[in-house]
Amino acid sequence: IAGITQAPTSQILAAGRRMTLRCTQDMRHNAMYWYRQDLGLGLRLIHYSNTAGTTGKGEVPDGYSVSRANTDDFPLTLASAVPSQTSVYFCASSEGLGTNTQYFGPGTRLTVL
Amino acid sequence: AQSVTQLDSHVSVSEGTPVLLRCNYSSSYSPSLFWYVQHPNKGLQLLLKYTSAATLVKGINGFEAEFKKSETSFHLTKPSAHMSDAAEYFCVVTFTSGTYKYIFGTGTRLKVLA
Repeated sequence: IAGITQAPTSQILAAGRRMTLRCTQDMRHNAMYWYRQDLGLGLRLIHYSNTAGTTGKGEVPDGYSVSRANTDDFPLTLASAVPSQTSVYFCASSEGLGTNTQYFGPGTRLTVL
Repeated sequence: AQSVTQLDSHVSVSEGTPVLLRCNYSSSYSPSLFWYVQHPNKGLQLLLKYTSAATLVKGINGFEAEFKKSETSFHLTKPSAHMSDAAEYFCVVTFTSGTYKYIFGTGTRLKVLA
């Protein structure tokens, strides 16, 4: 069982380009999340999904979009990347929202120049 | 408002000595509390979790944490540090009512000296 996989591992991107970060889980979890991690700020929630077909905004959603076409996949798209989106991005999943334990992927390191 | 504070951004200990990483939370609701560890260039791994059962929670790798409601604290301890414990540790709080979201502390970087 792989748990959560993310791709790519790292990416350097020119400003203005479109980029999709991929996330796949094999635990059949209903809820999935995208976080960004920046030095000194901990992890901040970008978007989440309670179940396939539904998504919601976290605390820093601007410039990002997500979709949840099925249970396993939860891609994060940057429509037009900006340097302030340089960060490490983590995908996570849990059985449901609330107090369920979240399990994290290995992360994607994104640099926008 | 709900929040979580990790009181130390950096902690250094000698190998074989005790570890104490401090976490305080603020909440009007009953909290669930977690400690995660992140080794360099890795994802977050769950160390332990408190969800209103026993107040002393044992986790992996010899770590434990005690929930103290009167002090609104959930400090992480380990009796004897090992070199492999060097990592960043995050305290996380969520709540049984209201928002479901994880609220992360800003992290404590643990350094273990030989």
